[in-house]
Amino acid sequence: AQSVAQPEDQVNVAEGNPLTVKCTYSVSGNPYLFWYVQYPNRGLQFLLKYITGDNLVKGSYGFEAEFNKSQTSFHLKKPSALVSDSALYFCAVRDQGWTGGGADGLTFGKGTHLIIQP
Amino acid sequence: EPEVTQTPSHQVTQMGQEVILRCVPISNHLYFYWYRQILGQKVEFLVSFYNNEISEKSEIFDDQFSVERPDGSNFTLKIRSTKLEDSAMYFCASSLGLADTDTQYFGPGTRLTVL
Repeated sequence: AQSVAQPEDQVNVAEGNPLTVKCTYSVSGNPYLFWYVQYPNRGLQFLLKYITGDNLVKGSYGFEAEFNKSQTSFHLKKPSALVSDSALYFCAVRDQGWTGGGADGLTFGKGTHLIIQP
Repeated sequence: EPEVTQTPSHQVTQMGQEVILRCVPISNHLYFYWYRQILGQKVEFLVSFYNNEISEKSEIFDDQFSVERPDGSNFTLKIRSTKLEDSAMYFCASSLGLADTDTQYFGPGTRLTVL
């Protein structure tokens, strides 16, 4: 079974400071990892994903995430936070499985509220 | 940029009634999904659909639920006899395929309230 943990319900960062939103995962095979963002009354917007290759993945709006296999983590980062980054962030995983016959559906973490203070 | 759309944005129904939630996936996508998010809880996978049949379903997706692609554009989720615990936000998603490059893109959701 696959699972995702986002240990922080809320992260507060001052505008202009770097931000990190934490995510750890568990899968039986190889992970596909994703970050989505949800603004109030909106759907989930795709930010970035890790499939294979470079451990540092760059995505939309200046966000990036670092895949760490030994720590089974995929933390979301941004060098300089904006007030407009304030939203609910979800980490998700899809298990590729050892032979490629993994899950269709994404397993989501519970979400982390990111609050950027002016 | 193409988007997944969902209607209605909010549906209120009485317990025991049937509801149909509608989605229009991105036009060239082949895989379709339904997820739900009960208030304050995680987004949960319900079902995936490919080539006019269910590809995978979770244990949540019991006999009360069904999915259908009635025409070339719509993808629907039907709940036959709604229960109070079906109240949630329901998200539709679509992807080009299941390859490693295929991202699932989500619609804005339908908030279902069962009274």
